[in-house]
Amino acid sequence: AQSVAQPEDQVNVAEGNPLTVKCTYSVSGNPYLFWYVQYPNRGLQFLLKYITGDNLVKGSYGFEAEFNKSQTSFHLKKPSALVSDSALYFCAVSPGSGGYSTLTFGKGTMLLVSP
Amino acid sequence: EPEVTQTPSHQVTQMGQEVILRCVPISNHLYFYWYRQILGQKVEFLVSFYNNEISEKSEIFDDQFSVERPDGSNFTLKIRSTKLEDSAMYFCASSRDRGEDEQYFGPGTRLTVT
Repeated sequence: AQSVAQPEDQVNVAEGNPLTVKCTYSVSGNPYLFWYVQYPNRGLQFLLKYITGDNLVKGSYGFEAEFNKSQTSFHLKKPSALVSDSALYFCAVSPGSGGYSTLTFGKGTMLLVSP
Repeated sequence: EPEVTQTPSHQVTQMGQEVILRCVPISNHLYFYWYRQILGQKVEFLVSFYNNEISEKSEIFDDQFSVERPDGSNFTLKIRSTKLEDSAMYFCASSRDRGEDEQYFGPGTRLTVT
């Protein structure tokens, strides 16, 4: 069975500082990894994904994530946080090639960026 | 930009009643999904649907649940006899293909069972 862990319920960062939201996963084979963001009263918005290739993937709104197979991690990063980045962030995993598309989500990390 | 839409945004129903949650996926997408999020808990997969049949379902998706694509645009989730524990936010999602393609989520329907 696949699982995703987001060890931090909340991350606080000052505007302009770099941010990291952590994610580790457990799945057999080569998974596909995703980050989604949820703003209040909105659905989940896709940010970025790792399928294969370069371990550093870039996504929307200046976010990037680094896939680390040995540490089974897929941390979300941004060099300079904005107040408007404040939202709930979800890491998700699917089984990868040959499998179904079922997404397994982490519990979410609330990112609060202070002015 | 095309988006997934869901209606209603909020549904209140009494225990034992049937509810139908509606979704309009993105028009050129072929795979459709339902997820739910109980307040304060993780987003959980319910069911995936392709080519007019269920591709995969979770343990949550028992006989009380059913899905249907009644026409070329709508995708529905029916709960036959609602229970208090069915209260949750229900998200519809769609993707062009499975696996590599990201899923696009609707804004959700908040179901409250009283």
